[in-house]
Amino acid sequence: KNQVEQSPQSLIILEGKNCTLQCNYTVSPFSNLRWYKQDTGRGPVSLTIMTFSENTKSNGRYTATLDADTKQSSLHITASQLSDSASYICVVSGQAGTALIFGKGTTLSVSS
Amino acid sequence: DTAVSQTPKYLVTQMGNDKSIKCEQNLGHDTMYWYKQDSKKFLKIMFSYNNKELIINETVPNRFSPKSPDKAHLNLHINSLELGDSAVYFCASSQTGGVGNSPLHFGNGTRLTVT
Repeated sequence: KNQVEQSPQSLIILEGKNCTLQCNYTVSPFSNLRWYKQDTGRGPVSLTIMTFSENTKSNGRYTATLDADTKQSSLHITASQLSDSASYICVVSGQAGTALIFGKGTTLSVSS
Repeated sequence: DTAVSQTPKYLVTQMGNDKSIKCEQNLGHDTMYWYKQDSKKFLKIMFSYNNKELIINETVPNRFSPKSPDKAHLNLHINSLELGDSAVYFCASSQTGGVGNSPLHFGNGTRLTVT
C-alpha cells in the first residue's frame, strides 16, 4: 500500500535553533517527493520538489534531502524564525495517472 | 494578483442544504484539483480536472459534483450536506497533472461548517 509517514507529529523549538523533520514513504514506482509548508488558515505552499536523481535541494533556510534507496527524506530548517511555525507536509508522486500521496504533516512551533 | 482564489472563505450552513464553492486560477494551468482537509489536517484528493476533463475521481459521495466551465475554473457543488462534510476544502492547480514536476498551487481554503 502506498503510504507516506512523517515524524515527529509535532515539534517545539526555540527561535534560532535548527531542526529536522522526517518523511518515510512506501510509494512505488516513485516519481518525485515534495515538501509543502502550510501556515494556519492558509493553503500549502511548495518548498521543494525532488526527483529520483536528486539527493539534496535547498530553498533559503530549508534544505531537503532524499534517499531513494531507503525511501526516506528529511527537511532541515536552519536558524529557525517565528514565521517558520507551520505544518510541514511531505508529498510523494507515484506513477503516471495516480494522485499525489500526502503525509499527515509535522506541526512545528517556534517560540521566542 | 492572487494565483488561486476560492470563495467563500467561510461557509456555515445547516444539514440538508445545497452549497457551492467557487475556484479560479489565473496561472494558465491545465490541471485543477479539489482537496479535503479534515480536523486532523490530513489532505485528501477529491477530484482532478485536466483541461475541463475529469481525470481523478476518488471515492467521494455522489453528493459532491465538480463543475469546470473552462480550464481556469473548477467549482464544487455539494448536495444534501451532512455533519461529516465539515472540513476545509482546498482548490489547487498545477501546470501538469499526475507525475509532472510542477508544484501544486493552493488556494487559501474554504472552511465549511455544517450544523
